[in-house]
Amino acid sequence: EAGVAQSPRYKIIEKRQSVAFWCNPISGHATLYWYQQILGQGPKLLIQFQNNGVVDDSQLPKDRFSAERLKGVDSTLKIQPAKLEDSAVYLCASSLVGLALSYNEQFFGPGTRLTVL
Amino acid sequence: GNSVTQMEGPVTLSEEAFLTINCTYTATGYPSLFWYVQYPGEGLQLLLKATKADDKGSNKGFEATYRKETTSFHLEKGSVQVSDSAVYFCALMIYNTDKLIFGTGTRLQVFP
Repeated sequence: EAGVAQSPRYKIIEKRQSVAFWCNPISGHATLYWYQQILGQGPKLLIQFQNNGVVDDSQLPKDRFSAERLKGVDSTLKIQPAKLEDSAVYLCASSLVGLALSYNEQFFGPGTRLTVL
Repeated sequence: GNSVTQMEGPVTLSEEAFLTINCTYTATGYPSLFWYVQYPGEGLQLLLKATKADDKGSNKGFEATYRKETTSFHLEKGSVQVSDSAVYFCALMIYNTDKLIFGTGTRLQVFP
């Protein structure tokens, strides 16, 4: 079974530029998550989708970050404009069903490492 | 609020040594508790979990027991191998949600 795919794996940009990350979850997984992992810290949830609807985006900096999952499958996360403090690994995860109906393991992709200069 | 505190690393051990990585949590309600592992160059993987007090999660020789009285979920392994070298994250899932809160991670280095 194919895992969660993310691209690109690495990205270097200058501050104030824009960047986009792509995630393809495991086939059939309804719930998709984007996490931000700053060096030396644990992952922090940015946004959670259930199919193509947003469940939780309370920690997404909406002035510069946006995310979409138009057809309930792939998702993109965009940062515009980037700041130095956005340097981090951006992780995508998916699970079969969300919303605490029962415990469903979150499967993580390899992440995209963003460096903002 | 909800938070996870785990011991700072790196933890450096010789092969076949005993491992303990401490994890304590603060949570409202009854969280589920997890240990995730991140091998070099790979994504996070679930190592083990426990969903209620006194549950013991186990996998690949690793164990952790959900201790409600001490709000702890310490990770242990009796005999570590070089291949166990990785970063280990303790996490909790907020009650009645599927929102994960992670600790800062502990790097384990095992030498032959």
